[in-house]
Amino acid sequence: DAGVTQSPTHLIKTRGQQVTLRCSPKSGHDTVSWYQQALGQGPQFIFQYYEEEERQRGNFPDRFSGHQFPNYSSELNVNALLLGDSALYLCASSLKSRGGTKNIQYFGAGTRLSVL
Amino acid sequence: DQQVKQNSPSLSVQEGRISILNCDYTNSMFDYFLWYKKYPAEGPTFLISISSIKDKNEDGRFTVFLNKSAKHLSLHIVPSQPGDSAVYFCAATQGPGVYSSASKIIFGSGTRLSIRP
Repeated sequence: DAGVTQSPTHLIKTRGQQVTLRCSPKSGHDTVSWYQQALGQGPQFIFQYYEEEERQRGNFPDRFSGHQFPNYSSELNVNALLLGDSALYLCASSLKSRGGTKNIQYFGAGTRLSVL
Repeated sequence: DQQVKQNSPSLSVQEGRISILNCDYTNSMFDYFLWYKKYPAEGPTFLISISSIKDKNEDGRFTVFLNKSAKHLSLHIVPSQPGDSAVYFCAATQGPGVYSSASKIIFGSGTRLSIRP
């Protein structure tokens, strides 16, 4: 059973460019969340997708956008890249809580984005 | 404003002894707390959790304690093993119910645990 997979593993871009990161959730999961982890920091929540809609959003500018497809996979898009966007981008999948069931978020290995 | 704080960036413990990792939080609305473990080049892996209605949860060598009045939680690892060397993140969620772990997770900055022989 494949876990959460992310692509690419590494990416180098220059300031002002746009980037798309991809995530395939764990089999059976329907909710995808994206996190940004800067060096020496914990992951910071960007947004969460469920039923192809953004359901929750953290404190990130509109340059960060996303999409969820009918097969539950997801993309994270970042426009007008800044040097400060250099980070590890993590995708996590889970099953939307139903009836008080405990659900854990499972993380992929991440995409390391470097902006030069 | 950091709602989940891990004030010790690193901790070194001898193999076989107890490792205690600490975490403080500021948001009294958090209803679920988690610990994640991260090895280099891997994503965070869920380790153990505790609901805000409990004060202790145990899973094998790992025990998490929650002190709501002090807004403090701790992770105890007994006995510590070399494979426990990793970065440990304390995290919390706030949602519509007790089991709301599909909600966004607020992470601390992590504690690097090193187990020495």
